[in-house]
Amino acid sequence: EAQVTQNPRYLITVTGKKLTVTCSQNMNHEYMSWYRQDPGLGLRQIYYSMNVEVTDKGDVPEGYKVSRKEKRNFPLILESPSPNQTSLYFCASSASPRGGRITGELFFGEGSRLTVL
Amino acid sequence: GDSVTQMEGPVTLSEEAFLTINCTYTATGYPSLFWYVQYPGEGLQLLLKATKADDKGSNKGFEATYRKETTSFHLEKGSVQVSDSAVYFCALSENTDKLIFGTGTRLQVFP
Repeated sequence: EAQVTQNPRYLITVTGKKLTVTCSQNMNHEYMSWYRQDPGLGLRQIYYSMNVEVTDKGDVPEGYKVSRKEKRNFPLILESPSPNQTSLYFCASSASPRGGRITGELFFGEGSRLTVL
Repeated sequence: GDSVTQMEGPVTLSEEAFLTINCTYTATGYPSLFWYVQYPGEGLQLLLKATKADDKGSNKGFEATYRKETTSFHLEKGSVQVSDSAVYFCALSENTDKLIFGTGTRLQVFP
């Protein structure tokens, strides 16, 4: 079954305690991306990756890191979480954009709800 | 920059009612347009898409037509069901390697 798997699904942590949210896809997609969803703001892109070892900032990258050492995995790292990073996080993948445009379906994970106290 | 504006929700309807969720966009060229749906506790799923002007996307009884003249991509369904209750997101993609999402519209359908 084609899927994007995120872990953990729920996490409560404290300010400053480093954490990693893992993301794995089994569709051999080149493109992967992280979004955060906040009430009234919709989804905003944090980082994206066009392929292995290629990552780029999205609209709200501050306080986050990513890596893409393997095609299937795209972890999101919060080195020193703060309360304003409390949010619902989604990982997504897609076949490669063409001409800088996503034309096909973006496949989403089920989300990771993070609370930073 | 590019942006998407959706009507605010929640939209509350009785079963079998007609649904319209408005979506307008701002873009410099000719973006691809999408509707995604998010059921409770789940990630987003693609509902339908259109890649050029006058295209109509359709799926599961939902339709949306890409209107360049009004920069709109309104979502419609002739007869909603309780199972359609979800949050609906309009989105576009244009030359930026990402989808730009609207804020989402919650639909609640009651029996």
